[in-house]
Amino acid sequence: EVQLLESGGGLVQPGGSLRLSCEASGFSFTTYAMSWVRQAPGKGLEWVSGIDGSSDNTWSSDSVKGRFTISRDNSKNTLYLQMNSLRAEDTALYYCARDYGGDPIFGYWGQGTLVTVSS
Amino acid sequence: DIVMTQTPLSSPVTLGQPASISCRSSQSLVHSDGNTYLSWLQRRPGQPPRLLIYRISNRFSGVPDRFSGSGTGTDFTLKISRVEAEDVGVYYCLQATDFPRTFGQGTKLEIK
Repeated sequence: EVQLLESGGGLVQPGGSLRLSCEASGFSFTTYAMSWVRQAPGKGLEWVSGIDGSSDNTWSSDSVKGRFTISRDNSKNTLYLQMNSLRAEDTALYYCARDYGGDPIFGYWGQGTLVTVSS
Repeated sequence: DIVMTQTPLSSPVTLGQPASISCRSSQSLVHSDGNTYLSWLQRRPGQPPRLLIYRISNRFSGVPDRFSGSGTGTDFTLKISRVEAEDVGVYYCLQATDFPRTFGQGTKLEIK
C-alpha cells in the first residue's frame, strides 16, 4: 500500500525557516518524481515544487523560487522541502504527492502538514 | 506556464441529476511521449486531494463509474452521471504534461 506521511509543519515568524519531510512507503521511491502542493486558506490547490527520482532535476513555482528548496534522500525514502524567508502568504496546508514515473501521476497524496507564518 | 481555466466555478446540482465541469488549457497537453497528462481531483473538507481521473479518461482505483472524463488537446470535461450527496466538494483539473504543474481554479459542486 502506497503511503506518504508529511511532518515538520508548525508556526513560524515571517522571515523564518522550516523544513518539511515526507516519508514514502509501499512503492519504489527512486522510480518516481515527487512534488509538493499547497493549499492556502480559502484558496485553490497550488503546485510548489518537484524533483525527479535521481535528484538530477528540480522545478519550482515562481512564487517560491529562490526561497524554497526541494530535495530527497532515496536511502531514507524521504522527500524534503526547505522553506526559507517565509512570508504570511506561505501559510497553507502542504501536501507531498507522487509525480511521474508510472501511472497514475498524482494518484497518491499525504495527509498534509500545516504551515502557519505569523508574528 | 500552462494556464488551466475551469468552468463553471460553482455548480449547484440536484441529487440524482448529472453534472459537468469543463477545463481548458492555454496550450496542448499532449506530451512528447504521446500521452495527455490531464487529471481530475476531488477535494472534500478535511481530506487530502483525491485523484478521480488520469490521462483524460482513466478512472483511478475505487472511483465510482458515475465519474467519467473526456476531451482532447486543450479541452476536457469531467462528468458525473448522477450526483450523490458524497460528491459535494471542489473539483480541480491538473496538467502534469509540463513543469510547472498547474491546476484549474476549482469548481465547487453543491447540492441545490
